Amino acid sequence: DTGVSQNPRHKITKRGQNVTFRCDPISEHNRLYWYRQTLGQGPEFLTYFQNEAQLEKSRLLSDRFSAERPKGSFSTLEIQRTEQGDSAMYLCASSLFRVGQLSGYTFGSGTRLTVV
Amino acid sequence: KNQVEQSPQSLIILEGKNCTLQCNYTVSPFSNLRWYKQDTGRGPVSLTIMTFSENTKSNGRYTATLDADTKQSSLHITASQLSDSASYICVVSPFSGGYNKLIFGAGTRLAVHP
Repeated sequence: DTGVSQNPRHKITKRGQNVTFRCDPISEHNRLYWYRQTLGQGPEFLTYFQNEAQLEKSRLLSDRFSAERPKGSFSTLEIQRTEQGDSAMYLCASSLFRVGQLSGYTFGSGTRLTVV
Repeated sequence: KNQVEQSPQSLIILEGKNCTLQCNYTVSPFSNLRWYKQDTGRGPVSLTIMTFSENTKSNGRYTATLDADTKQSSLHITASQLSDSASYICVVSPFSGGYNKLIFGAGTRLAVHP
């Protein structure tokens, strides 16, 4: 499978616990994105990386959220001290960015987080 | 106010029928408009991508149209199948120099019944 892989698919955690999600993008893609999607809504941008550099973070990404892409390949998204409002689907996407070219985005199947 | 509005919010049609989903946007200037299909519990899958200079793009039974003057797009599904049951999301990218930010609509939930 050469698509975008996300693990775990589902995560149930107690409020106040920390959770970490992993995303493995398409290997030749240089950009990686994290989105959050709540029921009945479209995905909302959280952050993105070009190679290992985190180039933009949304205001949605509070201090409790941190994302890394240490070697420019896979990425992790950590949420500390989870709150019930963090319950959502967390989607990862990757793309091959080239200046002047339109990039296609490939999404993973997401990690559904439930905070109880 | 959402920059990308989709209608209807939900739609039920019978298998074999055609349907058209609408997308109105206020993003300006914009670079491109995409339609995605999202099955329940899965990530979005790209159907079509149109730049601001394109009027129509087809992908099998899916045909997207774009009117950049009125800032409207539509997705037409022909001869619907049960597997078309999903959410269809309109996504607009503004000109931003670097990152092509994707602005998502809330989607139209389509149910195709036998």
